[in-house]
Amino acid sequence: GAVVSQHPSWVICKSGTSVKIECRSLDFQATTMFWYRQFPKQSLMLMATSNEGSKATYEQGVEKDKFLINHASLTLSTLTVTSAHPEDSSFYICSARFNMNTEAFFGQGTRLTVV
Amino acid sequence: QKEVEQNSGPLSVPEGAIASLNCTYSDRGSQSFFWYRQYSGKSPELIMFIYSNGDKEDGRFTAQLNKASQYVSLLIRDSQPSDSATYLCAATLHASGGSYIPTFGRGTSLIVHP
Repeated sequence: GAVVSQHPSWVICKSGTSVKIECRSLDFQATTMFWYRQFPKQSLMLMATSNEGSKATYEQGVEKDKFLINHASLTLSTLTVTSAHPEDSSFYICSARFNMNTEAFFGQGTRLTVV
Repeated sequence: QKEVEQNSGPLSVPEGAIASLNCTYSDRGSQSFFWYRQYSGKSPELIMFIYSNGDKEDGRFTAQLNKASQYVSLLIRDSQPSDSATYLCAATLHASGGSYIPTFGRGTSLIVHP
């Protein structure tokens, strides 16, 4: 399958600081990237949908000013968690797909711990 | 609200048996359906996708789609302990604005015991 690389794999940050997570599609052009969050023993929750060159569409309840998403190219999307707090500690996963009905491939995920 | 439903389990089967995982979806307009496997602490990995009614086989895995019943299933033959994981069903659901969003069920935990 296609390769999606997510970086970093894990990060610990202090409360109040910002953290940037990168998601790259290595061998295909991703017109759409998705950002998910997963708390322990819970399902994947879609946070936002990002289309290259346009503003991200956020799901209800997700603060767009807190979770900044940039999809500047067909191979790179970034998620910045601003002013992180302990309750933001979670497993963040991106996925990318080529077009509307093709499968989505996942990055390896980023485990964020805010202390 | 458009949803994908799965029984959370756990589903426990003996080694060598067939594991049957089920999923229903609410959006009759869904076109694409996917099964992912997720090990604890890891990202989901794609097992199979299916677009057309009927069965699709890949090795020990068979995906079955019935659009009339809005039902997708995954059969795992000759189950192995290494198949123990959470299996996520996903469907592309039609969202506002004309886009299709892959939407996940809660996942079914499968335990294959020796």
